Amino acid sequence: GDSVTQMEGPVTLSEEAFLTINCTYTATGYPSLFWYVQYPGEGLQLLLKATKADDKGSNKGFEATYRKETTSFHLEKGSVQVSDSAVYFCALRHDQGGKLIFGQGTELSVKP
Amino acid sequence: EAEVAQSPRYKITEKSQAVAFWCDPISGHATLYWYRQILGQGPELLVQFQDESVVDDSQLPKDRFSAERLKGVDSTLKIQPAELGDSAMYLCASSDNNEQFFGPGTRLTVL
Repeated sequence: GDSVTQMEGPVTLSEEAFLTINCTYTATGYPSLFWYVQYPGEGLQLLLKATKADDKGSNKGFEATYRKETTSFHLEKGSVQVSDSAVYFCALRHDQGGKLIFGQGTELSVKP
Repeated sequence: EAEVAQSPRYKITEKSQAVAFWCDPISGHATLYWYRQILGQGPELLVQFQDESVVDDSQLPKDRFSAERLKGVDSTLKIQPAELGDSAMYLCASSDNNEQFFGPGTRLTVL
């Protein structure tokens, strides 16, 4: 079945450091790919998405590129802030309106 | 800004008791989802509704879990009897067929 694998956390970085969170997927066909963020005590929020190969999703300084050849959708940010501390989830979805299949989440902690 | 509402936010119960969670989706969203998020894992779909009809309940443990969305608006998820392994965050989401919007969740602890 379809699955998403993320790099293990927690990831601890200093403010202004470069961030990469790896995400790879296994799926039939051409799913859409997503990154969601969960701040402490809150629900999941969509951070960015890409719907086809080579698409780049971006939002709030975060970027991820849909790489079909490596079945990856790695999340990057050039300079993290303390306010970026959260849990990040990679997910895929086959159909509009269909269910999301999530990775296990990666906790990011940014220290001042 | 419209949001998905859930209640209660926290629930502590003893095993073998019944619990119920409520979700009010964003107005006009026909699709509603219930996900379960076990600590340290990603959310997994329990049940999906399109209006009042169940679209996918393949991962719902039907011997103890039930879900309904009688008028195609708000929804209730029930567990009876609760077991220790049901301790988790229960997330509700609704969709305009493009993006899924998540509520804050109900954290269930079964003692």
